[in-house]
Amino acid sequence: DVQVTQSPSSLSASVGDRLTITCRASRDISMYLNWYQMKRGNAPKLLIFAASNLQRGVPSRFSGSGSGTDFTLTITSLQPEDFATYYCQQSYIIPYNFGQGTKVDI
Amino acid sequence: DVQLVESGGGLVQPGGSLRLSCVASGFDLGSYWMHWVRQVPEKGLSWVSRIYKDGTRLDYADSVKGRFIISRDNARNTLYLQMNTLRAEDTGIYYCVRDLLVGTTAYDYWGQGIVVTVSP
Repeated sequence: DVQVTQSPSSLSASVGDRLTITCRASRDISMYLNWYQMKRGNAPKLLIFAASNLQRGVPSRFSGSGSGTDFTLTITSLQPEDFATYYCQQSYIIPYNFGQGTKVDI
Repeated sequence: DVQLVESGGGLVQPGGSLRLSCVASGFDLGSYWMHWVRQVPEKGLSWVSRIYKDGTRLDYADSVKGRFIISRDNARNTLYLQMNTLRAEDTGIYYCVRDLLVGTTAYDYWGQGIVVTVSP
């Protein structure tokens, strides 16, 4: 199985901050990495697919980068609605494991 | 609009069974891989199972293999998850998800989630 490890597991930030969350895969997964946002009581929302592709309707302040084993989700100028938990997911091979999540709060 | 609506969850004793259903609308179910993903309390998200467009390919997480069965009825626009021999660790919120149609797996639409609780 391919394991994915996110860091940090939580962080505190302020509106307007630039935020970076990293995800490391246990083996080379090329570009097969997705990012989701999850708010309490709601289903996850796809932000980025295939490492760097912005899902339709997602604000451009979200971006993804990386390949191989190391990936990054960046949020420029954090907005109040961005306080949530973020998950990465490898889609290289089943089981399509998720990272443990990064909780972003104020 | 695309919608996925799950049903069939609830409280069940260890060793019991449940059948989850997911009714799809707003798109042609038969054109998409479909998956089940669960959120286990305090443990985040985990992939459970997937099924090919016509139901000819099925895959499962090791933790549910031999106990869960995924199926679909494209004519009824419905995805299913038959869960047998349930364990306490199967407790969680189960999501029906649609696989993005771009040559890589990613979930662009999620159901609202259905709660499954396995407890004596």
